[in-house]
Amino acid sequence: DSGVTQTPKHLITATGQRVTLRCSPRSGDLSVYWYQQSLDQGLQFLIQYYNGEERAKGNILERFSAQQFPDLHSELNLSSLELGDSALYFCASSPMDGGWGTDTQYFGPGTRLTVL
Amino acid sequence: AQTVTQSQPEMSVQEAETVTLSCTYDTSESDYYLFWYKQPPSRQMILVIRQEAYKQQNATENRFSVNFQKAAKSFSLKISDSQLGDAAMYFCAYRSALWDSNYQLIWGAGTKLIIKP
Repeated sequence: DSGVTQTPKHLITATGQRVTLRCSPRSGDLSVYWYQQSLDQGLQFLIQYYNGEERAKGNILERFSAQQFPDLHSELNLSSLELGDSALYFCASSPMDGGWGTDTQYFGPGTRLTVL
Repeated sequence: AQTVTQSQPEMSVQEAETVTLSCTYDTSESDYYLFWYKQPPSRQMILVIRQEAYKQQNATENRFSVNFQKAAKSFSLKISDSQLGDAAMYFCAYRSALWDSNYQLIWGAGTKLIIKP
């Protein structure tokens, strides 16, 4: 158990809908990262938040947005869902902003999103 | 931009034997970190081992060790005494250590490891 929690575990929805994925980092970790893993693919970095502020942005679609709250949990919002958005969405956390030697990223169990 | 390449889509090994998974990377940076993550059928992403580029000594974690060749930009993972529980996808990942850069993990495509009983 990495200490990172994600809810829900599974999500099934229809095209055009909007969903929210939730992540709680390890206790004390200030950074949260979101990654997308499509079927049989590697991971693609979406976005990073550090202590409530956006730190880095990757290949995140405009239909997707995220935020990190004062209690450091994070939410990833996916809207106008398309079939191609079906994937495993991982959240990871690290102690600081990602550049420190101790900033190994520990992953949550993921949320499997299925868009029908 | 940095890239990570895992040229072996699938490897198989007999239980109790040793197997080596390959990873090469491309970067112009001198300071970075390299990681191996394991993803079993449960799909959980689990850190296996980590290597700092400034350290010449190869990292080891119990039955897992790496062969880090900085000049060759190679970072292979050796699993000794393979166990059935080692069956998983193994991903190699790179992270910059430059001050104020983008610290995202850059991933290889993965190698599926099969353990034969």
